[in-house]
Amino acid sequence: NAGVTQTPKFRVLKTGQSMTLLCAQDMNHEYMYWYRQDPGMGLRLIHYSVGEGTTAKGEVPDGYNVSRLKKQNFLLGLESAAPSQTSVYFCASSSTGTDRNSPLHFGNGTRLTVT
Amino acid sequence: DAKTTQPPSMDCAEGRAANLPCNHSTISGNEYVYWYRQIHSQGPQYIIHGLKNNETNEMASLIITEDRKSSTLILPHATLRDTAVYYCIVRVGGYGQNFVFGPGTRLSVLP
Repeated sequence: NAGVTQTPKFRVLKTGQSMTLLCAQDMNHEYMYWYRQDPGMGLRLIHYSVGEGTTAKGEVPDGYNVSRLKKQNFLLGLESAAPSQTSVYFCASSSTGTDRNSPLHFGNGTRLTVT
Repeated sequence: DAKTTQPPSMDCAEGRAANLPCNHSTISGNEYVYWYRQIHSQGPQYIIHGLKNNETNEMASLIITEDRKSSTLILPHATLRDTAVYYCIVRVGGYGQNFVFGPGTRLSVLP
């Protein structure tokens, strides 16, 4: 049981390049999330998904797109990377939205630098 | 949406209890208090959560005041490995499970 796995762990992009971050969970969780964390700050929610085929915007969605084609995977896309998107990206999952008890399970992050 | 206030940093001697406070004066009746921690640059780790009763697990204890406006996370015997940023979170309502992470408390456990 690997939990939440993020790939890649590190990436350097040039401004304007595109990339996709992959998040995979093996806990059969319905909900998945993408957060970003900038130095010295807490986590900010980018997008989230309450189930396969559905996504919703979080606090800072601009410049990102997401897809949830399979329940176990949640993809975060940067179509045209900008230096302001240099950050650590964390994926998380949880078992249900109606049960407010469910905690989040996090991956270990993707460190992205845009030059 | 309920917000939380935590001190930016705290120190604790190794082997002593670490008591981390959190204020959440606008918490609503059905909102839970969650605690997470983040060690170095790893993903946040779930510690404990509660509604109104005190809770204990193998990692920590959570004490919630009777009026639910504040809580304290207790690490009973802090070790150097407990040095981390600790986040107190109150679940916000709405569609999905939106956890709002503030800057947290940076706990330094000193030898």
